[in-house]
Amino acid sequence: QSALTQPPSASGSPGQSVTISCTGTSSDVGGYKFVSWYQQHPGKAPKLMIFEVNERPSGVPDRFSGSKSGNTASLTVSGLQAEDEADYYCSSYAGRNTWVFGGGTKLTVL
Amino acid sequence: QVQLVQSGAEVKNPGASVKVSCKASGYTFTDFYTHWVRQAPGQGLEWMGCINSKSGGTDYAQKFQGRVTMTRDTSISTAYMELSSLGSDDTAVYYCARRGGQYLFHFDMWGQGTMVTVSS
Repeated sequence: QSALTQPPSASGSPGQSVTISCTGTSSDVGGYKFVSWYQQHPGKAPKLMIFEVNERPSGVPDRFSGSKSGNTASLTVSGLQAEDEADYYCSSYAGRNTWVFGGGTKLTVL
Repeated sequence: QVQLVQSGAEVKNPGASVKVSCKASGYTFTDFYTHWVRQAPGQGLEWMGCINSKSGGTDYAQKFQGRVTMTRDTSISTAYMELSSLGSDDTAVYYCARRGGQYLFHFDMWGQGTMVTVSS
């Protein structure tokens, strides 16, 4: 159960778009549609932003979107806002009732 | 109000055990799995395992097999995570999280976290 691979950092100016990648294997990201993304502000618990690759829970702005191709999933934040500055983690179901997280990406709004 | 409320911070000596609780409210506890995720200082999230809140069945990450025990008390809608043989690298914030449903594979609600410090 190796962690999914995310870039340690990403950045963009207000109003721009930024995409964060999440690379796994055919045993997790590539094998299931069950990729989710979480936003975490400092000192706070994670918050669900995307589930099942590209579904948004109610209350999450449509500026957040997800996609997947092969063993790599992506989170795109469009129209960046100051409050989007946070850590973002991907997660994938990995079979046999196990899950795996990515190492996290720190998103900076310039 | 749907929420998960965890027990308070703990300080433990190396080699000791710690037991963290997670009380659910605002929903039917036994309809959802409870998962445990930890986060070492400045590090990422790490999945530890889960418990079927109805049956009590558990699944643990390989890394924690033999050292972690997850239980629940349905009468008070509370899940527990006990970690034994603590070392300094177990210093972390421990979160409980609700899995979104039997056929859903994400975590839609999280507890506030419990800081566990292992230090002599």
